[in-house]
Amino acid sequence: GENVEQHPSTLSVQEGDSAVIKCTYSDSASNYFPWYKQELGKGPQLIIDIRSNVGEKKDQRIAVTLNKTAKHFSLHITETQPEDSAVYFCAASLAGNQFYFGTGTSLTVIP
Amino acid sequence: KAGVTQTPRYLIKTRGQQVTLSCSPISGHRSVSWYQQTPGQGLQFLFEYFSETQRNKGNFPGRFSGRQFSNSRSEMNVSTLELGDSALYLCASSLQGSLSYEQYFGPGTRLTVT
Repeated sequence: GENVEQHPSTLSVQEGDSAVIKCTYSDSASNYFPWYKQELGKGPQLIIDIRSNVGEKKDQRIAVTLNKTAKHFSLHITETQPEDSAVYFCAASLAGNQFYFGTGTSLTVIP
Repeated sequence: KAGVTQTPRYLIKTRGQQVTLSCSPISGHRSVSWYQQTPGQGLQFLFEYFSETQRNKGNFPGRFSGRQFSNSRSEMNVSTLELGDSALYLCASSLQGSLSYEQYFGPGTRLTVT
């Protein structure tokens, strides 16, 4: 089955700086890659996603890039704010079927 | 549109007991997936139901089971609870159309086994 690795496990940045989280996947058939943000006491919230026919997608301060050849994708958060502090998960899926999640990155934005 | 709801939100059970958790998907969504989240193992896939049929199953023992009703609401059951079953149980719903892959999570049920 699919194997998703996520790095780093923890990340601290100063407010206003950028944060980058990276994931790799093993199954070249995977074609859907969502990112989730999980705040304390809540379920994961879908924040952005990308499909394999697209190399980059942006939504305000958040962007995701995908390199199909290298089988890795990354989440980029610019101009970080304290409310961005949370645990972020990447995932890989084949057409929305069974999702495989990374182990999570705990992001702390220092005011 | 209302989001995914899960009941109960918190549950304390004793080892050996059984428990049933409930999940109501977003209106119109036909797929419901269940996950176990623990600090050590992260998010692990339990099973997925689509139109009342189990379509995918993760690597969990038979003590974990589920079902889906005709209105797409789903329940999962854990029998003969063990201390290691303490976790946050999340369900996620998706439309599962050919153009729609997005999966949305509920707030979870925090199960503590003593």
